[in-house]
Amino acid sequence: DAKTTQPNSMESNEEEPVHLPCNHSTISGTDYIHWYRQLPSQGPEYVIHGLTSNVNNRMASLAIAEDRKSSTLILHRATLRDAAVYYCILEFSSNTGKLIFGQGTTLQVKP
Amino acid sequence: EAQVTQNPRYLITVTGKKLTVTCSQNMNHEYMSWYRQDPGLGLRQIYYSMNVEVTDKGDVPEGYKVSRKEKRNFPLILESPSPNQTSLYFCASSFTDSTDTQYFGPGTRLTVL
Repeated sequence: DAKTTQPNSMESNEEEPVHLPCNHSTISGTDYIHWYRQLPSQGPEYVIHGLTSNVNNRMASLAIAEDRKSSTLILHRATLRDAAVYYCILEFSSNTGKLIFGQGTTLQVKP
Repeated sequence: EAQVTQNPRYLITVTGKKLTVTCSQNMNHEYMSWYRQDPGLGLRQIYYSMNVEVTDKGDVPEGYKVSRKEKRNFPLILESPSPNQTSLYFCASSFTDSTDTQYFGPGTRLTVL
């Protein structure tokens, strides 16, 4: 199974950019890279996903390495509300629906 | 309001007493899934369903059953719960498959004594 590796925790200051890394060296060609986050006492919520090209949406940007063995979630200006556990997830194979969550990175945002 | 609902939100039960956790979505999503979340282990997928009458095992299916008789409902059944199934459970749905945005329910905290 393709696995992801993320740092256990990271800290950021409010209003500064945050780069959350994820390694997925065994990714297959059809695996999508998803990012979700989980705020305290809530279910996970979608952040962004991509396959090969970098992606942007209103919440974040996703930078995918050319060899696809790593990716980085970029929060352009961290707010206190962004304090959460961030999960980098690979879809196991296209169209099967099988997702494997990693341990996630706990992001602390300091005022 | 578009949402995924789970019931009950909290449940304390005893070993061996069959229980069902319901999950319902009002977004006409085809894909639904169940996860459990345990400290230090993150979220692990139990079962998923690509459409009505189509279900498949995730990472940790042992001790669980599911059914998908209608598009909107995806109940999780524990025929004979054991203490190691004490966990926080989340239901999720998406429009087609897991490449689409998944919407998660609020969670069900289950304790098996």
